[in-house]
Amino acid sequence: KAGVTQTPRYLIKTRGQQVTLSCSPISGHRSVSWYQQTPGQGLQFLFEYFSETQRNKGNFPGRFSGRQFSNSRSEMNVSTLELGDSALYLCASSLRLSGGISSSYNEQFFGPGTRLTVL
Amino acid sequence: EDKVVQSPLSLVVHEGDTVTLNCSYEVTNFRSLLWYKQEKKAPTFLFMLTSSGIEKKSGRLSSILDKKELFSILNITATQTGDSAVYLCAVTPGGSEKLVFGKGTKLTVNP
Repeated sequence: KAGVTQTPRYLIKTRGQQVTLSCSPISGHRSVSWYQQTPGQGLQFLFEYFSETQRNKGNFPGRFSGRQFSNSRSEMNVSTLELGDSALYLCASSLRLSGGISSSYNEQFFGPGTRLTVL
Repeated sequence: EDKVVQSPLSLVVHEGDTVTLNCSYEVTNFRSLLWYKQEKKAPTFLFMLTSSGIEKKSGRLSSILDKKELFSILNITATQTGDSAVYLCAVTPGGSEKLVFGKGTKLTVNP
């Protein structure tokens, strides 16, 4: 079974530009979560999508947005890029079965990430 | 605020040593604790623990959770150079699918 794939793997942008990152989950996985990883803050949760709806959101400004398509693929967009947005952006998929709150939890499997550099 | 603290932040050992990595947490309505290994890019899943006192084992790696004391340990026996990586601990709070990560423990295994 193919793992989580992310494109592009590397990206260089300048301040003020916008960027779109793509994530394809493991086949059959309907939940996609996005994380930002920096040396100072570590891995921080951005948002989670399930059935084309954003279910959870982390503490990031509105410049960070995302969406999910009917085939579960997800995109993340960052507008008006700042130097501090330079980071590794990781996407993870899981076998979440419903949109409601569940007492059980399915482990998340991560993609290789997109390394974004903002100059 | 949900919080995960890992210790030590870094560790250097020799091949064959046994190491113990620590993870303590404070989280609202705890559901599960997960351990990941991150070498170059993607964190790879190691264990998920939901019940207290039950040990999960995979080869030389094992982990146990103490829900009363709010911590977990990851043990690696007979370390090899291929175990060199950052080990991440994460918890899932109730009502959310997000993972709250610790800063990780960087393990270096020298030959």
